[in-house]
Formats: sequence, structure tokens, C-alpha cells
Amino acid sequence: DQQVKQNSPSLSVQEGRISILNCDYTNSMFDYFLWYKKYPAEGPTFLISISSIKDKNEDGRFTVFLNKSAKHLSLHIVPSQPGDSAVYFCAAREYDSGGSNYKLTFGKGTLLTVNP
Amino acid sequence: DAGVIQSPRHEVTEMGQEVTLRCKPISGHDYLFWYRQTMMRGLELLIYFNNNVPIDDSGMPEDRFSAKMPNASFSTLKIQPSEPRDSAVYFCASSFWQNNSPLHFGNGTRLTVT
Repeated sequence: DQQVKQNSPSLSVQEGRISILNCDYTNSMFDYFLWYKKYPAEGPTFLISISSIKDKNEDGRFTVFLNKSAKHLSLHIVPSQPGDSAVYFCAAREYDSGGSNYKLTFGKGTLLTVNP
Repeated sequence: DAGVIQSPRHEVTEMGQEVTLRCKPISGHDYLFWYRQTMMRGLELLIYFNNNVPIDDSGMPEDRFSAKMPNASFSTLKIQPSEPRDSAVYFCASSFWQNNSPLHFGNGTRLTVT
């Protein structure tokens, strides 16, 4: 049973336009969300994160939005660049009152292609 | 900072053979994670360590899999005996103790079991 779902396996956009990657989750105990980017033959690299107490976090061209009531988050990339072409993973961490749970649950990823 | 270092990058072995994957975490990181990536299941956590102690191994698929962390700078994931369904990319990742510290991944080991 997938707790973190990325329903679009792939997305193609034109350079300069907005890329919107979506992620849905089912576990209401998730309290922290992250996006990772992965190039071929490399490991995932951290991109941006958001705590469940916020609804938006911005870092340069990247913005993550969180809608807790809908259990949905999205990553916006504006403007998109060819170098952004990669697989994007959504990940979530479950709240642990003891502060000791560092397990991340990942979605299956969305392949973003930005065309010049 | 050399990042998380995994070896080998590629491993091809025959069914029934023992496979050992190796990982050197970032110096100073006290959490270490082993993940497996497949097309069907995506990225799934196998086991993680804190200060060299295994904390949660509930993701380890079966007894054929074992992981050790003999010291703060080295960990191994062993599969014995290996099976074709173990073919996947295995990632090691490490992080600081801070609650929201992101994971830093190695470049993975692509395992093919024939």
C-alpha cells in the first residue's frame, strides 16, 4: 500500500514555462515533506522541504506547496530550465514524539523533461 | 567533503552467490540508511542505523539480507544467497542527528543477479 503517490510518471514542459509536479499522501501522521531530484546514474539529491505547519516554502526557482486537508503537495519550478530535467521524488516523514523516527517514505518519482 | 561513497558501482553475479555492498557515510553523520530502488516498488527503506546501532530493519526483505555497521565510517549490506529478484539499485544515505536534516545519498550500486 503506497502511502506516498506520484501519479504522473512523466511530465514534459518547454524551457521558461512552469513545471508543476504533484504528490499525494495517505498517512495523516506525516509531518515533514521533502523533494529530491535524481539524475541518471547518481543518487537522489535534496531539493526543498516543508514542515506540516506551513503551506508554502520557496527557494529560488523552486516552491513547494502543502495542502494538508487534501493531503497533497506540489513542487513548482519557475522558470523551467533544461538542466532541471531529472526524476523528482516526493518523500514524507512520519511524526514521532520521541524525535527518533528518521524514516522517509518515497513516492515512485516523476520524470521531468524540459525541452529547449 | 567527498559525499557518501558506495562500492562497487556495478555488480553482476550469478544466482546463489554472496554479494556484499559497501558504504562510507559522510564524516560526522550519525545516521546511515540503506535503500533499494526498483521499477515496481520505487525507493524503499531496508534498514537504518544510529551511531552504528541498527534501529529499524523492518524493511529487510528476508533473512538472506543482512547489514552491519562496524564503525562510524563503514557499513555493508550482504545478500546470501542472491536471487534474480534482488536485482535493483541499492543506495546508501547518511544524515546528521538534527530532526530535519536531509539525507545525503551515494550514487548507488546497480546489482544484477542472473
